[in-house]
Order: sequence, then C-alpha cells, then structure tokens
Amino acid sequence: DGGITQSPKYLFRKEGQNVTLSCEQNLNHDAMYWYRQDPGQGLRLIYYSQIVNDFQKGDIAEGYSVSREKKESFPLTVTSAQKNPTAFYLCASQTRGGQEFFGPGTRLTVL
Amino acid sequence: GESVGLHLPTLSVQEGDNSIINCAYSNSASDYFIWYKQESGKGPQFIIDIRSNMDKRQGQRVTVLLNKTVKHLSLQIAATQPGDSAVYFCAENIENDYKLSFGAGTTVTVRA
Repeated sequence: DGGITQSPKYLFRKEGQNVTLSCEQNLNHDAMYWYRQDPGQGLRLIYYSQIVNDFQKGDIAEGYSVSREKKESFPLTVTSAQKNPTAFYLCASQTRGGQEFFGPGTRLTVL
Repeated sequence: GESVGLHLPTLSVQEGDNSIINCAYSNSASDYFIWYKQESGKGPQFIIDIRSNMDKRQGQRVTVLLNKTVKHLSLQIAATQPGDSAVYFCAENIENDYKLSFGAGTTVTVRA
C-alpha cells in the first residue's frame, strides 16, 4: 500500500522543547516538502528537499530544521526558537510531473 | 509578490446542483495547475490537474478550465454531493521550479 505517512497524528509540546515530526513515503519520489497550515489559511512552505542529503528553506523556515538522510524519510524538527508553533503540519512528496501527494498531517499544540 | 488566490472564501451549494470554484493567478510563467480537496483534519487530496497547453480537462464529475488570457482557473463539480463539502485549494507551478504555490482556499458547504 503506497503512500505518505506522518506521525504522530497529535503532538503536544511544552515551552522550550524541541519536537520532531516524522514523514515517510514509499512512492520512490525524490522531492519532499513540509508545509504549515493555520486555521482558515492556505499552506505555507517550511522546507523542501529535491534529493537525498540536500534541502532548501521555504518561506517560513525560521525556528525549524530538517534532514534528508534517506530518500524515504524527511523529518521536521520544531525548535524552541519557533515562537508560535501551534499549527497543522503537512508533509508531501512530488512526482517528476509536479504533482504533490500529501500525508494525513500532524497537529502540534503548545501547552 | 505574485501569488495564487481564490475569488471567494466560502460557497454554499444545494445538493444536486453544480458547483463552480474560481481561482486567479498572477504569475504568467505558471504552466501547471492543480486542484486539491481538504476535508477537516486531513491532508489535501489531489482532484485534477491541468497544464498550460490545455484549456479544459475532465475527470469524474469534475472539470477544470484554464483561461490563460485572464489568468483564471476554475473547478466545476457536477451534481454536488454532501461528501463534496470541504476546502478546495488551487496550486500553481512554474516549469523547472520544484515549489507549488497555494491559494487560501474556498470552503464549500453542501445543503441537503
């Protein structure tokens, strides 16, 4: 069963904590993306990776970090430097034709 | 800056009627467009796409129209059903650019 998985579905963070969101895909896609979505808003790009061991900042990268050690995995760390991290986080991978497929999302809440 | 946006944030439709969701884009270099559907608490789901060398593309109950002259994209849903209630996003891409740009979305509510 091919697709994109994200875990956990819900995540709670205390002030000053770093947390890592998981994203895995078995679609053999080279490009992967992280987006943030706030209530009633569109998707804003945090980071993206076109190939293993390479990634670029998106529009709102401050306070976030990523790694791309394997083609299948693109974890996102929300650091304590991100002052307003409560949001819905979406991971996606892209076909060579440009079509993006999304995971189910992780809802992060700061306590 | 240039961005993709939707004309209306909300749309209420009677069950069985046709729905039309609009999207305006400003980047004339965009050559690939996608419509996504997002249900509450879930990730966006691909509906249909179209490239700039086409004016129209049809899927199952959905049609996408592209007017490059006025930089306008629309999604038509035939015989709207309660399961069509969701937020609909358009996205654009420029050739050789790996990034999609998303509009803010239109919330479609289907009335019984």
